[in-house]
Amino acid sequence: AQSVTQLDSQVPVFEEAPVELRCNYSSSVSVYLFWYVQYPNQGLQLLLKYLSGSTLVESINGFEAEFNKSQTSFHLRKPSVHISDTAEYFCAVSGGFKTIFGAGTRLFVKA
Amino acid sequence: GAGVSQSPSNKVTEKGKDVELRCDPISGHTALYWYRQSLGQGLEFLIYFQGNSAPDKSGLPSDRFSAERTGGSVSTLTIQRTQQEDSAVYLCASSPSTDTQYFGPGTRLTVL
Repeated sequence: AQSVTQLDSQVPVFEEAPVELRCNYSSSVSVYLFWYVQYPNQGLQLLLKYLSGSTLVESINGFEAEFNKSQTSFHLRKPSVHISDTAEYFCAVSGGFKTIFGAGTRLFVKA
Repeated sequence: GAGVSQSPSNKVTEKGKDVELRCDPISGHTALYWYRQSLGQGLEFLIYFQGNSAPDKSGLPSDRFSAERTGGSVSTLTIQRTQQEDSAVYLCASSPSTDTQYFGPGTRLTVL
């Protein structure tokens, strides 16, 4: 069975500060890993994903995540956040069929 | 191209009534998921369709909930004898495989 744990339900941070949103997973098989983002009053959309190859993946808006197999983690980071990054972020894992989502982390960027 | 569409966008119903929520996935996507998102909560998996295989219904919270997917395309989620705790946003997503899921805008269900 697979599971996903997002360790922080809310992360408040000041604009231009760095941020890390933590995600740990468990699975008995090889996995694909995803981060989805839900901006206020909008639907979920893919932010970035790891399928294979380089363990460091990046999004077009400056986020990055690193797949760490030994620590079973896929933490999301951004060196300098913007007000517009305020959203809910969901980590997800797919181990062949069904995709499992974490409970979400609400990132709140303050001016 | 067209994305995932859901209808209605909003549904207000009285306790005890049945409701049907519709999802039109992206053409050609073999996988279709239903989720429930309650206020301040994460995504709760409800049901998963993959091609012609038997659906994974392990997330359905009670036998009042059921879903169908006709012709491998459109899906309908039915909630019978609605309760106030069923109030939530119901999200549908489709995927070409086990890769990226493409989400619809959701149906906001309010049970009075």
